[in-house]
Amino acid sequence: DQQVKQNSPSLSVQEGRISILNCDYTNSMFDYFLWYKKYPAEGPTFLISISSIKDKNEDGRFTVFLNKSAKHLSLHIVPSQPGDSAVYFCAASFGNQFYFGTGTSLTVIP
Amino acid sequence: DAGVIQSPRHEVTEMGQEVTLRCKPISGHNSLFWYRQTMMRGLELLIYFNNNVPIDDSGMPEDRFSAKMPNASFSTLKIQPSEPRDSAVYFCASSPIRTGEEQYFGPGTRLTVT
Repeated sequence: DQQVKQNSPSLSVQEGRISILNCDYTNSMFDYFLWYKKYPAEGPTFLISISSIKDKNEDGRFTVFLNKSAKHLSLHIVPSQPGDSAVYFCAASFGNQFYFGTGTSLTVIP
Repeated sequence: DAGVIQSPRHEVTEMGQEVTLRCKPISGHNSLFWYRQTMMRGLELLIYFNNNVPIDDSGMPEDRFSAKMPNASFSTLKIQPSEPRDSAVYFCASSPIRTGEEQYFGPGTRLTVT
């Protein structure tokens, strides 16, 4: 059973526009959420995180939104750049439990 | 810092053979994680060590899989005997703290079992 779900396997966005990547989770015990970015032939790298006590965290072009009532997490990238093309994984954790989604492949078209 | 080091980067083996994947975490990190990436299930946590002690191995798929961390700078993931369905990319990650906050991933080992 997939406790963290990314229902869109791929997304294409024009350069300069906003990219919105979505993530849903099922376990209300999760208290920390993260986004990782992965280029081909490399390991994932940490991008941004948010604690369950917040509903928004911003870091430059990247903003993560958390809607606890809907058990929904989203990552906004504004403006999108070709270098943002990668696979994005959302992850959720509590205690010793740590779950990743299946990833969304983002393509930013120049 | 060299980051998390994994070896080999690629491994091709025949069904039934033993496979050993290796990981060197970032110096000073207390936690080490082994993940498997597949298209269907994304990144699955296999096992998690804290201070060299296995804390949660509930993600290890079968008894054919075993992991050890004999010291703070080295860990192995062994599959014996290997099967074609074990083909995947295996990642090792380390973290300076105990719980699942930011983790630093190695480049992964692509395993192909024929």
